[in-house]
Amino acid sequence: GAVVSQHPSRVICKSGTSVKIECRSLDFQATTMFWYRQFPKQSLMLMATSNEGSKATYEQGVEKDKFLINHASLTLSTLTVTSAHPEDSSFYICSAHRDGSTGELFFGEGSRLTVL
Amino acid sequence: AQRVTQPEKLLSVFKGAPVELKCNYSYSGSPELFWYVQYSRQRLQLLLRHISRESIKGFTADLNKGETSFHLKKPFAQEEDSAMYYCALSGSRDDKIIFGKGTRLHILP
Repeated sequence: GAVVSQHPSRVICKSGTSVKIECRSLDFQATTMFWYRQFPKQSLMLMATSNEGSKATYEQGVEKDKFLINHASLTLSTLTVTSAHPEDSSFYICSAHRDGSTGELFFGEGSRLTVL
Repeated sequence: AQRVTQPEKLLSVFKGAPVELKCNYSYSGSPELFWYVQYSRQRLQLLLRHISRESIKGFTADLNKGETSFHLKKPFAQEEDSAMYYCALSGSRDDKIIFGKGTRLHILP
């Protein structure tokens, strides 16, 4: 089956540093990937839609300069949290549409970011 | 506006009892509806979707366009069904997917 891999699964960083999270579709191509954020005891919140070869589309209220998304190839999207602060600590999950599929999403295992 | 509503944050059901996880949606068109499940310490995964009209792990969900609902049902709950369940809506193949807030299903022994 289709697999989406996220790396790293856990990261701890100091306030003010930048952190990059990778999302890879291992055995399929994904023109479109999505980045979500999950706060404790809350639902998944869609942050942005990542499109290969073009700019990401951000949801209302999500700072594009804070959360940089790059979708450089059909199998890789990256989320960079710039100048991270403790309030950015969260669980970040990516998902991918398999090109040619009819709506099913495949999810990564998520990345837990802790900003000290 | 697109919206998915799961009214129950937590649902506790005894083993062997029927389960119904509620989901209502708002969408001006023909949406695709999905149920996703997240077992403890595992990744989110697709449980079922309305277009396939299949039963997965004993769960079924029928799209009711009149009531704009897509409730998830299982006649006899099992302990391994304990998980977080998300109802989701998509407007088209490449459109974003909107999730409900999720319902935590707790199966009591």
